[in-house]
Amino acid sequence: SQTIHQWPATLVQPVGSPLSLECTVEGTSNPNLYWYRQAAGRGLQLLFYSVGIGQISSEVPQNLSASRPQDRQFILSSKKLLLSDSGFYLCAWRPTFPGGEQFFGPGTRLTVL
Amino acid sequence: QKEVEQDPGPLSVPEGAIVSLNCTYSNSAFQYFMWYRQYSRKGPELLMYTYSSGNKEDGRFTAQVDKSSKYISLFIRDSQPSDSATYLCAMSQGSNYKLTFGKGTLLTVNP
Repeated sequence: SQTIHQWPATLVQPVGSPLSLECTVEGTSNPNLYWYRQAAGRGLQLLFYSVGIGQISSEVPQNLSASRPQDRQFILSSKKLLLSDSGFYLCAWRPTFPGGEQFFGPGTRLTVL
Repeated sequence: QKEVEQDPGPLSVPEGAIVSLNCTYSNSAFQYFMWYRQYSRKGPELLMYTYSSGNKEDGRFTAQVDKSSKYISLFIRDSQPSDSATYLCAMSQGSNYKLTFGKGTLLTVNP
């Protein structure tokens, strides 16, 4: 069976500090991978998605970036965090055979102070 | 008009009640429809996935899609306190399978 991991689970960072969140998927190959941010009262916002190693599409211009160095690894980064980067960050994967459903990880709660 | 509209609630029902959750959408290109359940401070969990118009049943849950009206529903029978969560509808088009989410409905089932 497939599982998706995210770490860290929670993170408190000062404004201006760097960020690295990691997501890995087990039990599948060549998944589509997604990063979302969920802010209170604003629903789920798609930040990045990737259909393969090194292939990143950005949905929202911001100070965040994403990378996919390995088939089942997806990383979300920032060089300098802003207060507005606080939120619940979710990684998701989707199998490559036809279908729309995505499966989410447990999330990382980021607080920028 | 937003692509997906979902009543945020909150919705409070007694245990055993039938719950109806709904979303409307404006983009007729949406082909795939999903319902997720999200407990507080957890990632969303896929509950139901449908492709075509009609009903799909899984245990106490029934998902209904009406493409002609651009309307989807999730029914929960014999609701339990463990069903208390936020329910998110989501839908996608074909090519890149990006999901568009509703903002979620907060449901509380009271024992």
